[in-house]
Formats: sequence, structure tokens, C-alpha cells
Amino acid sequence: EAGVTQFPSHSVIEKGQTVTLRCDPISGHDNLYWYRRVMGKEIKFLLHFVKESKQDESGMPNNRFLAERTGGTYSTLKVQPAELEDSGVYFCASSLFLNQPQHFGDGTRLSIL
Amino acid sequence: AQSVTQLDSQVPVFEEAPVELRCNYSSSVSVYLFWYVQYPNQGLQLLLKYLSGSTLVKGINGFEAEFNKSQTSFHLRKPSVHISDTAEYFCAVSVSGNEKLTFGTGTRLTIIP
Repeated sequence: EAGVTQFPSHSVIEKGQTVTLRCDPISGHDNLYWYRRVMGKEIKFLLHFVKESKQDESGMPNNRFLAERTGGTYSTLKVQPAELEDSGVYFCASSLFLNQPQHFGDGTRLSIL
Repeated sequence: AQSVTQLDSQVPVFEEAPVELRCNYSSSVSVYLFWYVQYPNQGLQLLLKYLSGSTLVKGINGFEAEFNKSQTSFHLRKPSVHISDTAEYFCAVSVSGNEKLTFGTGTRLTIIP
């Protein structure tokens, strides 16, 4: 089966611009998670979807970040406007059931100049 | 809230030598424990998990970990490492009813030929 796919693999934008990251979970996985790793720090949880509903968005840093999962399939994470501190690697993960191991994508490396 | 500590940010080990990567956690409730590995230019891959049952857990690539509740530890071990084990290793914890993963800061394992 295809794994979790993230696009793009790398994005370089200027401060103030908008960027949209996409995640395609493993087919049939209702649970979708977004995480972020800022350079030198730990990987931090951003939010959790169950199908199209936001189950937990306690990790979203501020209202410049908007996550959607229309139709309960793929998800997008939009950053608008991007700030320097948003640079990092954004990971997406999915799982079939709750408390099952999460399968991660390769991540999107976001660089804000 | 739970937390994970990986005290060793970098661990150099000679090829074919044993290795132990340390992980300690803090939580007021029962936890699920995971080790993930990130090979260069790849995403996170699940090495092993502890959900319940036997405290000695075996994973892929010859790795194993032991859950020690009294010491709140989940150290990762391998009796003989190979060059291909060069990667960054992350310990993570979640709790029942809250599936987001809390990660440690990672340990970079370098194998010396």
C-alpha cells in the first residue's frame, strides 16, 4: 500500500507570503495528524483530524495557520502570512484506529526568508 | 501533561559494538511508548512500540526496548550496530484518550567504521 505522501518536499518563500502544504494519508486511515520540527527542537504536535473533523488543535501556534481536511481524505495546512519562525519540517502522519501506531510521511521542509 | 527526555543528543558507536539510547518519560497516567527512526533524507519510521503486555519489546532491524515503569524509562538497545543504523532516533509517548505523540528531542546515532 502507498504510504503517507507529502507535497512539496521543500518550499522556500519570503516572509509575508502564503504557503500551502498537502498531505495524503494512507488510504482508509481516518486519523490524520500534523507535526512540526523547528530546527534543533523536538517534534511538536499541531493538530489531529478524525475524518474531516478537528479532534484536537491544541498545538496550532496561532491563527496564521489553517488546516483543512475536506471530505476526510487529504489535508492541507496553510500558513498565511508566513513568518521567519515558521521555518522547519512539517510532518504528516496517519493511523487506522486510535492508539494504533502513526505512519509518517517524509515531511515538508519549509524555509522562510 | 506528559514529557519525554532524551539526554543524549549524539551517540558515536563503533561498528559491531552494542548501543543503548536512553529515554525517560513523565506522565501522571498510563502511557504508550514508541521509538521512531529517521534515516537521512527520509521520514519517520516506527521501530517498535509498547502498548501493553510484555515489558521487553522487539522491533525491526534487531532493535529492542524495555519498559521500566518504576524508573519511567524506555531505553532502546541493539547488541551489534551496523553502518546502516546511522540515523536520528526519537522516543515518543501518548496516552489513552489523547493520541497525539509527545516526542523527545532525538538522539543522533553515528556509527564509526
